[in-house]
Amino acid sequence: QVQLVQSGAEVKKPGASVKVSCRTSGYIFTSHFMHWVRQAPGQGHDWMGIINLSDGTTSYAQKFQGRVTMTRDTSTSTVYMELSSLRSEDTAIYYCARDGPDTVKSDNWFDPWGQGTLVTVSS
Amino acid sequence: QSVLTQPPSVSGAPGQRVTISCTGSSSNIGAGYDVHWYQQLPGAAPKLLIFGNSNRPSGVPDRFSGSRSGTSASLAISGLQAEDETDYYCQSYDSSLSGAVFGGGTKLTVL
Repeated sequence: QVQLVQSGAEVKKPGASVKVSCRTSGYIFTSHFMHWVRQAPGQGHDWMGIINLSDGTTSYAQKFQGRVTMTRDTSTSTVYMELSSLRSEDTAIYYCARDGPDTVKSDNWFDPWGQGTLVTVSS
Repeated sequence: QSVLTQPPSVSGAPGQRVTISCTGSSSNIGAGYDVHWYQQLPGAAPKLLIFGNSNRPSGVPDRFSGSRSGTSASLAISGLQAEDETDYYCQSYDSSLSGAVFGGGTKLTVL
């Protein structure tokens, strides 16, 4: 079955960077795009961006432009999200989520989701 | 503030039917982009409940149904059960933002 397994919780100081991994299995890695979404405590979901796992091209939400970098390693079927210049407001659970099957559609659904990675930013 | 608007909470008695609305604008739902719904249990990742406005993934009971009209979409849950008590989120695409957008979530309480 399709599985997305994320790296463990992180505690970072303001100004630092964090890199979260998302290891995939159970399907052809390059057949779907991958999204990253975050959820601050008690809040809704914030879309961060998407990466094409075939060629590595990315599209980021304007809110995170300049601070986020999404990459992939096709040899290990793993996707990465790095967020820099961390501030307290970045404290959240970060999820990877697989895009739907039609890579031409922009309004695909997300399924499945990784289990989430809690990133805490605190001095 | 979320781009898609959902009521913060809804409630219903066991066996009843409830609906959760998701209101957008001309750059997302009103533009014809699909709406999807997720169920999120406490401490868990979201789970796809409805995709493409009204389609259920395998394994999702037919008590759950979805629809879209104009700039809004709705999730209906019939035959409410205690296990349905959790948070529900809608999601679509916004052409002005060039990315996915979510509703703020609705907490369902089964009385």
